[in-house]
Amino acid sequence: EVQLVESGGGLVQPGGSLRLSCAASGFTFSSYDMHWVRQATGKGLEWVSAIGSAGDTYYPGSVKGRFTISRENAKNSLYLQMNSLRAEDTAVYYCAAENPTGELDYWGQGTLVTVSS
Amino acid sequence: QAVLTQPSSLSASPGASASLTCTLRSGINVGTCRIYWYQQKPGSPPQYLLRYKSDSDKQQGSGVPSRFSGSKDASANAGILLISGLQSEDEADYYCMIWHSSASNWVFGGGTKLTVL
Repeated sequence: EVQLVESGGGLVQPGGSLRLSCAASGFTFSSYDMHWVRQATGKGLEWVSAIGSAGDTYYPGSVKGRFTISRENAKNSLYLQMNSLRAEDTAVYYCAAENPTGELDYWGQGTLVTVSS
Repeated sequence: QAVLTQPSSLSASPGASASLTCTLRSGINVGTCRIYWYQQKPGSPPQYLLRYKSDSDKQQGSGVPSRFSGSKDASANAGILLISGLQSEDEADYYCMIWHSSASNWVFGGGTKLTVL
């Protein structure tokens, strides 16, 4: 059974940092591109970052320079280092696995990040 | 102007069909894009439904009923998710997504809330 389990969310002050983790199991993690997608309460989905199986990374302008995605294939783990956090980064953060034809096939249940003083 | 525009809400009756549109920003040719569709129900992560680029390049998600299908309206520069034989369980938020190659970004549409009543 495929599982993606996010952790590391919590309450952080504006300007602070947080590191999210996603533990993967049930599929060949090293072969999949991986994504972070977030969703503020009552809002739509927002793509946050992606990392290819070869380690290439992608970010939208809203987080570029503040967030860093990484992976550790030996541990079947995905990470998101979030720095200089802002109130508008408050959201549930999902990790998702992309199959070779681009579909985000597998999703975790999400972890809540709250940026507030 | 947003890269992908979806109507915020749509209502339809049980047994009827619903056509959900995803309009691409001018300058992005729908004919060249694979459009991915996701369904999200309250309290749950998104679930992949299907992918559509053309009749020869399309894919149904695992376990997704054939009542869900994709198409395009080239004249409107839009992707379409068609749901036929609507059921109460189809009530959900629906999101389209593309790979925006010129920006090297994945992009979600704002989502459509489908009400079946």
